[in-house]
Amino acid sequence: GAGVSQSPSNKVTEKGKDVELRCDPISGHTALYWYRQSLGQGLEFLIYFQGNSAPDKSGLPSDRFSAERTGGSVSTLTIQRTQQEDSAVYLCASTTDRVTYGYTFGSGTRLTVV
Amino acid sequence: GQNIDQPTEMTATEGAIVQINCTYQTSGFNGLFWYQQHAGEAPTFLSYNVLDGLEEKGRFSSFLSRSKGYSYLLLKELQMKDSASYLCASSGNTPLVFGKGTRLSVIA
Repeated sequence: GAGVSQSPSNKVTEKGKDVELRCDPISGHTALYWYRQSLGQGLEFLIYFQGNSAPDKSGLPSDRFSAERTGGSVSTLTIQRTQQEDSAVYLCASTTDRVTYGYTFGSGTRLTVV
Repeated sequence: GQNIDQPTEMTATEGAIVQINCTYQTSGFNGLFWYQQHAGEAPTFLSYNVLDGLEEKGRFSSFLSRSKGYSYLLLKELQMKDSASYLCASSGNTPLVFGKGTRLSVIA
């Protein structure tokens, strides 16, 4: 597609429920990143996929968070047993060359846990 | 380790010039990015510096000093639409590390 697409744009869920957030990167981009942005905070790195390599999961805050990338394209971020502190905007980005061209971000999913 | 600092908020007048500073400590540093983020929208790429000096792109310029771990974004001829958050991000041994952003308010 023309840009990075994320769905849903907004998600309200009850505490304890599982949620899945989807990211469709720019076609041909080999690298895909998940970040989250809480109110007043910077972008916090969560996980990174590069081609067929094992993902870099070093930013995942707990084992309730997981992500997969199928066929080197679409990625799903899953949060199990959601907590109120998980409320944030979850941003996905993709790139062909992370050093030179920077990342292209999607519009994000605003997750609210009530 | 990775650390990025930038001011939280700035206010400037329409038509004026504003400079947003950023200091960083990054392992394996290989470049400094600036992004613009309007409220409720995705961050969009503004500039990338890897060598020392000033890169000019229209009304926006970005400067880097690798020896000082310092960068700034210079916005000239400010317009109301420039009101946004400006994010400094460093590239190194890890995925991009972002600062908390500087919220710029442009007033008439």
